[in-house]
Amino acid sequence: DAGVIQSPRHEVTEMGQEVTLRCKPISGHNSLFWYRQTMMRGLELLIYFNNNVPIDDSGMPEDRFSAKMPNASFSTLKIQPSEPRDSAVYFCASSLFGTGAPNSNQPQHFGDGTRLSIL
Amino acid sequence: KNEVEQSPQNLTAQEGEFITINCSYSVGISALHWLQQHPGGGIVSLFMLSSGKKKHGRLIATINIQEKHSSLHITASHPRDSAVYICAVGWGGTSGSRLTFGEGTQLTVNP
Repeated sequence: DAGVIQSPRHEVTEMGQEVTLRCKPISGHNSLFWYRQTMMRGLELLIYFNNNVPIDDSGMPEDRFSAKMPNASFSTLKIQPSEPRDSAVYFCASSLFGTGAPNSNQPQHFGDGTRLSIL
Repeated sequence: KNEVEQSPQNLTAQEGEFITINCSYSVGISALHWLQQHPGGGIVSLFMLSSGKKKHGRLIATINIQEKHSSLHITASHPRDSAVYICAVGWGGTSGSRLTFGEGTQLTVNP
């Protein structure tokens, strides 16, 4: 199993530019999560999808952030326009969540993260 | 919002020592996760538990639902155990599993 694949691993760009982060979840997983990790705030959930549908985007900082999941094998997180305070490591994770069973959630598998620096 | 507190924030141990990291949370959950973040940044899920105890190799995780408390134990610690250990609590009913994270415990095991 290839695991969760994120790209790029590193991104350095100037403020104002559009940034697109990509994630390929583990095949067969039905839940996908985007997290952000900073020194100040630790790990935070930005948004998660279940069966390609956004379930909770309350962690998305502002309208500059958007996420899509057009199919079960691909998701993007976009920042437009980017700002220096968006610099962080962005993780994608996926899991298999049992439908109709509140206690059947499975461990989340994390990608290696994208280290984003906005100059 | 569920508050997750870990202790200690930093822990230094000698190789072979028994290590305990604690996690407390404020409201009911569906599951508690222990994660390990390596110095290179990658995150690995160690345990997910909703009751009792789980063991994997030298790692043991316990949870007390009534007390809203979990512990991660490492027996016979080794320098390769040096990492940040993160507690996360999950809930989300039937639609997913939203996680709230603790701040992490930086563990350093010296040879």
